[in-house]
Formats: sequence, C-alpha cells, structure tokens
Amino acid sequence: DVKVTQSSRYLVKRTGEKVFLECVQDMDHENMFWYRQDPGLGLRLIYFSYDVKMKEKGDIPEGYSVSREKKERFSLILESASTNQTSMYLCASSLLPTSGRSYEQYFGPGTRLTVT
Amino acid sequence: AQTVTQSQPEMSVQEAETVTLSCTYDTSESDYYLFWYKQPPSRQMILVIRQEAYKQQNATENRFSVNFQKAAKSFSLKISDSQLGDAAMYFCAFVKKTSYDKVIFGPGTSLSVIP
Repeated sequence: DVKVTQSSRYLVKRTGEKVFLECVQDMDHENMFWYRQDPGLGLRLIYFSYDVKMKEKGDIPEGYSVSREKKERFSLILESASTNQTSMYLCASSLLPTSGRSYEQYFGPGTRLTVT
Repeated sequence: AQTVTQSQPEMSVQEAETVTLSCTYDTSESDYYLFWYKQPPSRQMILVIRQEAYKQQNATENRFSVNFQKAAKSFSLKISDSQLGDAAMYFCAFVKKTSYDKVIFGPGTSLSVIP
C-alpha cells in the first residue's frame, strides 16, 4: 500500500515564526502536492512538484515556499506564519498520468496548523 | 481553465437507501480523468472511484457507481445501500491527462447517513 506521511498531525505556532511541514511518500511517485483545506472552500493547491528540485505554483502560493531535494520528500515552508494561514494542510502524491497507470492522488493524514 | 462544481454542499440519506451526489465540470479537453474522493471525519482522504474520459462504460466499485455524461460534462456518484461508514465529505476531481498538470477539486459535498 502507498503510504504518505506528514510530520505532525497538530501544530501550534506563533505569528512570525518560520514553519516547516514535511511530507514523505514511499511509492516512488513523481508528483507531490501541498493543499490547504478550509471549510466551504474545498482543497486549494499551494504548490506541486513533478520531479526533484522542480516546483510549480498552485492557486494560492503567496506566503509559502516548497522544497524537494529528494523524490520521496516534499516540504512546505511558511516563511513568516500569519493567523490567516491557520488551516488543515494536506500532502498528496501520484504517478504521472502519462505513465499509463492510474493517476489518483494518495493523501497524507493532514496537519492541523494553528497560528496564534 | 478547468472548473469543478458540486452544487450540493450537504446531503443526507437513510441507511440502506441510495443517494446520488452531483458533479459538473468545465473543460475543453477531450482526454482526462475524473475522480471521487471520500474524506471521513478526522480521517485520511481516499479514492472512491475513477473514470477515464475515453471509456464509455461507467465505472463501478462495489456499492459505488458513476454516471458519466461526457457531452454534458457531468459526473455523478451513486451510493447504493448506504452505510453509516459512508458519512463523509465527498470531493469530485478532474485532471487532464498530461504530464504536468494539477488536479482540480470541487468544493465538496458533506454526506450524512441517518440510522
């Protein structure tokens, strides 16, 4: 079974702190994604990466950055946390759709981040 | 740009009954995937069912089936014999079948199952 793990289930940080959210997948997937999930807004894509050291902005990249130094690990960084970044953060991974194999996303359990 | 719409923010169903969740999408692409994901309360999001646009036959996974109408850009999910464990947020999702593209999720439908 594919496993996507996230470093923390719950995190409380202060405004202005630098925050690191880590995501690791164990199935050699090319694609990795970071979403934030807010009530009534569904999932919004922050960044995604289709290869090591490659990254693409999603719909709401402002205030975030990412790092992918190894294929299995994709980090989300909040450079200076703000209260409007309080949210649930979901990591996901998938194969490339051109692989001819299934392209569904596999999700981690999520990190509930509270910024006070 | 692609969009995915789920017009029912909340739905409820009696246990053992059938319920249909609606999803429409907008795209000019001809080759893509559609998915339904389920997110139970405080639990991990998982795939329920997938449909490839070029496949005419509607996908089925046990009690879950879809009604895929490509021309109408509609992709509804039918849950038969609803169970308490079906209570969850359900998200419809779309992705073009290209190498580097993002998945577009709908806003979700919260399904309650009444015992």
